[in-house]
Amino acid sequence: DTEVTQTPKHLVMGMTNKKSLKCEQHMGHRAMYWYKQKAKKPPELMFVYSYEKLSINESVPSRFSPECPNSSLLNLHLHALQPEDSALYLCASSQDVGLALGLYEQYFGPGTRLTVT
Amino acid sequence: AQSVAQPEDQVNVAEGNPLTVKCTYSVSGNPYLFWYVQYPNRGLQFLLKYITGDNLVKGSYGFEAEFNKSQTSFHLKKPSALVSDSALYFCAVRDLNRDDKIIFGKGTRLHILP
Repeated sequence: DTEVTQTPKHLVMGMTNKKSLKCEQHMGHRAMYWYKQKAKKPPELMFVYSYEKLSINESVPSRFSPECPNSSLLNLHLHALQPEDSALYLCASSQDVGLALGLYEQYFGPGTRLTVT
Repeated sequence: AQSVAQPEDQVNVAEGNPLTVKCTYSVSGNPYLFWYVQYPNRGLQFLLKYITGDNLVKGSYGFEAEFNKSQTSFHLKKPSALVSDSALYFCAVRDLNRDDKIIFGKGTRLHILP
């Protein structure tokens, strides 16, 4: 199974709402990622978890809060977002053998299309 | 810092013709290079990667890429384009100097004309 699943597919939320994005993989990958992608732009890395520990935070505002409950699951908790946070949020996973993240291809989920009103 | 450049925003190719999507890289040390494709309203899909070895790398869906060290290029190629190849293509490079992250190029939109 080489699938990464993400829920929900679409999300509309107000600026005062709290919501969560969920991501799941069953490939035994020990690295998981959150990306933000604006239309027709490359993905921008937000967070990386390696062996269930946060290893990279790309100076993301605190209104985005990641969580990795176990090696198969990754959540992104959203609170008090701004309209400019509207984007496609992609989850990905990869192997992480010997802590060499960059050697391995990433498997992406289909994304959650987030609209902040 | 390591980087990749995709000089073309868009490439148009007639169905059945060969296609090339260009990528050049700038790295210190050995380059680790990737190609990903993104179909509309989907996540990215891995096509192929170059780590070491043969300069011609074969990947998914009939795509291949040629690593050229002297020209610092890693162009994506396919001998005969299909309409279904129309998508957004990203070249990417491993950046050992920045937490071993993957750095993506800006992307090239490929249009295959029927």
